[in-house]
Order: sequence, then C-alpha cells, then structure tokens
Amino acid sequence: NAGVTQTPKFQVLKTGQSMTLQCAQDMNHNSMYWYRQDPGMGLRLIYYSASEGTTDKGEVPNGYNVSRLNKREFSLRLESAAPSQTSVYFCASSPYRMTGKVDEQYFGPGTRLTVT
Amino acid sequence: AQSVTQPDIHITVSEGASLELRCNYSYGATPYLFWYVQSPGQGLQLLLKYFSGDTLVQGIKGFEAEFKRSQSSFNLRKPSVHWSDAAEYFCAVGPEYGNKLVFGAGTILRVKS
Repeated sequence: NAGVTQTPKFQVLKTGQSMTLQCAQDMNHNSMYWYRQDPGMGLRLIYYSASEGTTDKGEVPNGYNVSRLNKREFSLRLESAAPSQTSVYFCASSPYRMTGKVDEQYFGPGTRLTVT
Repeated sequence: AQSVTQPDIHITVSEGASLELRCNYSYGATPYLFWYVQSPGQGLQLLLKYFSGDTLVQGIKGFEAEFKRSQSSFNLRKPSVHWSDAAEYFCAVGPEYGNKLVFGAGTILRVKS
C-alpha cells in the first residue's frame, strides 16, 4: 500500500497563476483533509471531505477550492495564487467509520509551494 | 471550541537524556488525544493516541504519554532520547464523535551528542 500520495512535491508559482494539488489514498478511507503548515502555526485545516460527495470549509478556506473526485482522490485548487499561500500543504485521510467516532489521520509527504 | 497549546517551541536535550514534551488542551467534553512526529521533509506519523481507559499510553519508538484530566494535559515522554528522535512533534485533540482534529503549533526537538 502506498498510503497517501501527493503530487507535486515542489512547485513555484507566480502571483496570479493557478494550480491543482493532487492527493490520493489507497486505504479505502472515508474522510480526507487538506492542511497547510506554516512555521509556528502548526497545521491549519483548509477543507475537508467527511465522505465521498461532501466537502466542507475548515479554518482557512479563503483562496482555495476542493474537489472530492471519488473515494480515493481529493484535490486542492488555487485559482489565483498569492504570496500568502506560500506554505507546505499536507493531505490526510481517516477511516471515519460508521460509528462516527474520531479516528487517527494518515498523512501524505507534503507539497512545498512557493508563490513569488 | 477545542484548542491545543504546546508551550515549548524548541527543546534541546542531550542524547541519552530523558524527554518530556508538554501539551495542554482545552475541550469541554472527553477529549481524544494524539501525538504525531514529523521528521524533516516528511509527513506526520502517529506516535500514540488516547481514547479512553488507562491514562498512560504506550506508542511507537519507545514513547509514552500520560493523560491528566485535572491538568488538561497530555505530555509526551521518552526515558532515553536517540539522535534519530530529532524532529517536530505535534499534539492534537478531537471530540469523541467527529472527524476533525485541532493541532498544536508544534515543538521542535534538537538532540545534541
């Protein structure tokens, strides 16, 4: 099992350019998440998908959109990149079983994005 | 609302010394607590989790953590640190029912030889 995979690993954008970060998991998990990590701020939730067909805003959704393409894939799109979006982006997944109880999250290796 | 505080941004310990990383949480009901480790350039890996029961939980790589409800704390410990433990450590809290976690800002551990 590859677990959670993310592409690309690194990306440099100019202000105003758009791009999509891809994420896939092969663990048959129901929930998927996008976080950004900035120094001294930990991980902040951008968007999440509790199950296939649903998406919800997290703590810092402005400037981003997401698509839960199917149960395996969850993409994050920056329509018009800004320097404030320079960050490391992590995708995660979680079983989130029928019980509804919280479960651990499994993380991808991250995408380091620089916007100039 | 849930929140997590990791009071120490950086900690430096000597190889072979003991380690304690602090985590304080704020949550009105029973918290579900996690510790993750992030090695440089890597994603986060789960070290251990507390859901209920015994307040002392064992994790991977020789780590343990103790849940103290009276102090709203979930501190991570290791009796003898190895150079390979140098990494950033994150504490996280979630509700019993739900699918979101709130992460602390992290503590960077440096190990000196």
